Amino acid sequence: QEKVQQSPESLIVPEGAMSSLNCTFSNSASQSIWWYQQHPGKGPEALISIFSNGNKKEGRLTVYLNRASLHVSLHIRDSQPSDSAVYLCAVRSHNVLYFGSGTKLTVEP
Amino acid sequence: EAGVTQSPRYAVLQEGQAVSFWCDPISGHDTLYWYQQPRDQGPQLLVYFRDEAVIDNSQLPSDRFSAVRPKGTNSTLKIQSAKQGDTATYLCASSWWGTNTGQLYFGEGSKLTVL
Repeated sequence: QEKVQQSPESLIVPEGAMSSLNCTFSNSASQSIWWYQQHPGKGPEALISIFSNGNKKEGRLTVYLNRASLHVSLHIRDSQPSDSAVYLCAVRSHNVLYFGSGTKLTVEP
Repeated sequence: EAGVTQSPRYAVLQEGQAVSFWCDPISGHDTLYWYQQPRDQGPQLLVYFRDEAVIDNSQLPSDRFSAVRPKGTNSTLKIQSAKQGDTATYLCASSWWGTNTGQLYFGEGSKLTVL
């Protein structure tokens, strides 16, 4: 079973700043890595995924993956109050997603 | 396209009572997952199905938990003799078995409180 660790547990940034979230996982042979967003009382929603080493950019989101160091990060440019949520890192292995405990992001106006 | 539907959204039980949660996946999705999400933690896999077959139920906490998907569409998760430690949100997710991306689509969850 995959082990997924996220840091920090919580993050507070001012509106317009860059938010940076980190995730480490246990198996370099893992398949895709996903970031999900979860608002209170809602189910997780997929934001972005990455499979190959390097980076991937979609809109204000950029994700970096380094399989050798078992590390993936998510960066949100120009953070908005509507980005306030819990961000979950998930690693796919054998048709299952294994989740970390999440980072609670608060973007202050 | 309708998303994953779960019911009930909330349940409050006394210890020892039973509860069932129901999930209707996205139409055409052959794979269905049940996750347990305790407060302030990430989702943890309980069981998953491909069509009507159980692929992995090794993470079900005990024999008090059971899950079925008899026709390969809707699914029911049942907890018998609930305990306070079962307090959590129960999330259902669906996908296609052969997906290249591995994206799961989640419902809004069923929040269980055991007093």
